[in-house]
Amino acid sequence: EAGVTQFPSHSVIEKGQTVTLRCDPISGHDNLYWYRRVMGKEIKFLLHFVKESKQDESGMPNNRFLAERTGGTYSTLKVQPAELEDSGVYFCASSLGIGDRFTYEQYFGPGTRLTVT
Amino acid sequence: SQELEQSPQSLIVQEGKNLTINCTSSKTLYGLYWYKQKYGEGLIFLMMLQKGGEEKSHEKITAKLDEKKQQSSLHITASQPSHAGIYLCGADMNRDDKIIFGKGTRLHILP
Repeated sequence: EAGVTQFPSHSVIEKGQTVTLRCDPISGHDNLYWYRRVMGKEIKFLLHFVKESKQDESGMPNNRFLAERTGGTYSTLKVQPAELEDSGVYFCASSLGIGDRFTYEQYFGPGTRLTVT
Repeated sequence: SQELEQSPQSLIVQEGKNLTINCTSSKTLYGLYWYKQKYGEGLIFLMMLQKGGEEKSHEKITAKLDEKKQQSSLHITASQPSHAGIYLCGADMNRDDKIIFGKGTRLHILP
């Protein structure tokens, strides 16, 4: 079974440009999450989709970040315009649907390393 | 203040030796995750603990969650070079499926 995949693995862009990151969750996983780690800091939560709906976007830093999950399958995270402080590693994770358990195992992708110059 | 304290930050161990990594919270944890990250790669899921006193094992790695569900330890028996990497503990603290991560423990194994 394929794991969580992310594209691209690396991206180098100039300040002010736009970048779109993509995440394909494990097949059948309704929950999709975005996290990021900026230099020297802990991995931080950005947002959580349940199918195509945004369950929680409390971690999104500002309105330059836009996440979508059309059709409830893959997700994209767009940064527009990118700033220097957006540099870091962006991780995507997925887990099974919410049932009688409130916490499911979250499986992470390899991450996208974003460098803004 | 750091919600999840992980210790030690770095660990150098002779191959074959045992080691323990700790993860502590001031709040009750509803889910405690352990991940491993190889340098420059993604997070590999090791195990998740939810019940007080729960213990799980994966090959030579054992993790336990204390009865109060505020502290977890990860123990590696007879360490091998393949165990080298960064170990991350993460926790669901608010029953909201949002993982809060510790800073990680960088493990080096000396041959």
